[in-house]
Amino acid sequence: AQSVTQPDIHITVSEGASLELRCNYSYGATPYLFWYVQSPGQGLQLLLKYFSGDTLVQGIKGFEAEFKRSQSSFNLRKPSVHWSDAAEYFCAVQGAQKLVFGQGTRLTINP
Amino acid sequence: DTAVSQTPKYLVTQMGNDKSIKCEQNLGHDTMYWYKQDSKKFLKIMFSYNNKELIINETVPNRFSPKSPDKAHLNLHINSLELGDSAVYFCASSQAGRAYEQYFGPGTRLTVT
Repeated sequence: AQSVTQPDIHITVSEGASLELRCNYSYGATPYLFWYVQSPGQGLQLLLKYFSGDTLVQGIKGFEAEFKRSQSSFNLRKPSVHWSDAAEYFCAVQGAQKLVFGQGTRLTINP
Repeated sequence: DTAVSQTPKYLVTQMGNDKSIKCEQNLGHDTMYWYKQDSKKFLKIMFSYNNKELIINETVPNRFSPKSPDKAHLNLHINSLELGDSAVYFCASSQAGRAYEQYFGPGTRLTVT
């Protein structure tokens, strides 16, 4: 069965610093992978997705993610975070007609 | 215009009561979903409907009964509410066969006392 692991429950970075959120997946075939963001009190918004092709995908709000098959990873990165990036981030893999989510990583931004 | 809307946004009720959460999407999608997000933020699918037909039921207690009067609506009715039902419930929708591109509603925070 498909599964997603986000090893970091909570990460704190300073505003302007770079960010990397980790995601590892388990899937038998070529996965479809996603990153979603949930701002406080809000629903989930799709940041970016990977289906095939170029392993570095660009998303909204300046985020990017890199698919590494050899490491079963799909880490999310941003070169310089803004205070508005504080939120919960979810990695997901597509299963059979559904999305399977990781546990989420809460991102706190220090001024 | 709101793409996926849910009502109510907050719901506080006592154990044993029956309550419903409504979801509507105006995206013209054929498939709708209900997710439960627990206190640890873990998000898990509960149900999925395609054109008013149930296609996913993830071992949810039968106190939970989804109802889809048409493909733009998927309501969630919960009988005999328990403390453990307290969570945030998210509705989502997608085009048929495109579960990878889901649009989420703002969530309904259910608190059972």
